[in-house]
Amino acid sequence: LAKTTQPVSMDSYEGQEVNITCSHNNIATNDYITWYQQFPSQGPRFIIQGYKTKVTNEVASLFIPADRKSSTLSLPRVSLSDTAVYYCLVENYGQNFVFGPGTRLSVLP
Amino acid sequence: GAGVSQSPSNKVTEKGKDVELRCDPISGHTALYWYRQSLGQGLEFLIYFQGNSAPDKSGLPSDRFSAERTGGSVSTLTIQRTQQEDSAVYLCASSLSLTGRDTEAFFGQGTRLTVV
Repeated sequence: LAKTTQPVSMDSYEGQEVNITCSHNNIATNDYITWYQQFPSQGPRFIIQGYKTKVTNEVASLFIPADRKSSTLSLPRVSLSDTAVYYCLVENYGQNFVFGPGTRLSVLP
Repeated sequence: GAGVSQSPSNKVTEKGKDVELRCDPISGHTALYWYRQSLGQGLEFLIYFQGNSAPDKSGLPSDRFSAERTGGSVSTLTIQRTQQEDSAVYLCASSLSLTGRDTEAFFGQGTRLTVV
């Protein structure tokens, strides 16, 4: 079972770029890396998914090194509305869909 | 519907009563997941379904918890003889697939269960 490790919390200011790194040392060949965002009183929401190298969408970028033992979610120019908990998930082939404790991001004015 | 629907949105029950929580996944999604989230805490995985089958029930907190899924669609999570520690938000999610690229999970808004 691939286990993920993320910082418990991070602070940033509006307009800054935020990078959240997740460690997943036991990632398997078939595993994808997925990030979710959760606001209070809501279910998590998909942000981005990748397998290797770099993936970019309209919301974020995901950087995955060649060994795939970690990944970094990059949020460009954060705003107050980006304050949320961010979860890194490594999907295990045919196994449980287990979330780690997440990173609580606070964006300050 | 367009998204994952859960009902009821709120449930207050007396200790010792049974409750049934319902999840309507997105049409065509073969994978379905149940989670529980206590106030200010992370997501606790409970169980997943591939079609109507739940291969691993070890995530259920106790034998008072059970879940089923019928017709590859609707799922119910049943808690028997509820206890105060069962109070939490119960979240359901579904995805096209359990593996590969189609694993993006879509979550419902949850059922807030309060046991008094």
